[in-house]
Amino acid sequence: DAGVIQSPRHEVTEMGQEVTLRCKPISGHDYLFWYRQTMMRGLELLIYFNNNVPIDDSGMPEDRFSAKMPNASFSTLKIQPSEPRDSAVYFCASSLGQRYTFGSGTRLTVV
Amino acid sequence: GENVEQHPSTLSVQEGDSAVIKCTYSDSASNYFPWYKQELGKRPQLIIDIRSNVGEKKDQRIAVTLNKTAKHFSLHITETQPEDSAVYFCAASKPGGSYIPTFGRGTSLIVHP
Repeated sequence: DAGVIQSPRHEVTEMGQEVTLRCKPISGHDYLFWYRQTMMRGLELLIYFNNNVPIDDSGMPEDRFSAKMPNASFSTLKIQPSEPRDSAVYFCASSLGQRYTFGSGTRLTVV
Repeated sequence: GENVEQHPSTLSVQEGDSAVIKCTYSDSASNYFPWYKQELGKRPQLIIDIRSNVGEKKDQRIAVTLNKTAKHFSLHITETQPEDSAVYFCAASKPGGSYIPTFGRGTSLIVHP
């Protein structure tokens, strides 16, 4: 089991650019979550999917953020346009029942 | 919705001392309480969990206690070691679905050798 795989590990982009973060959940897991982690706000749940369907996106901060899950093995989180305050570590997690596993995260820096 | 408060935000101890991190939750329907350890630059990883049908659970130097009446639970680390230095997150979740957790803000534990 390769775990939850996120890419890229690090992303540096200029303000105004589009950023796409990617996640491959553990095979067989039926929930997928996107989190943002900052020193100021801790771990924030942005959105989660159940069987590829978005269930709760109330944590998505603005319309600049969007997430998709076109199939059971892939999800994206897109920020367009990006802003410096979006700089954070973005984690993807997947779960099946109690088995909740985080990916290694993507450290996003917007300059 | 659920609200989880975690204290302290930082904790500094000497190697060999004990460390205690406390969390409170608001939703009495919550019944599953995991703890995660996040080492610097790494992902949060589950280290121990407890369900509401037990009051205490222990795994070597780590133990978790739960007081359902008061709606609080605690992580206890005995004989701390430098490698215990990390950020620890508590969480609470309700039955049904996929145990979607509400996380505390985290505690940065520093163990001085």
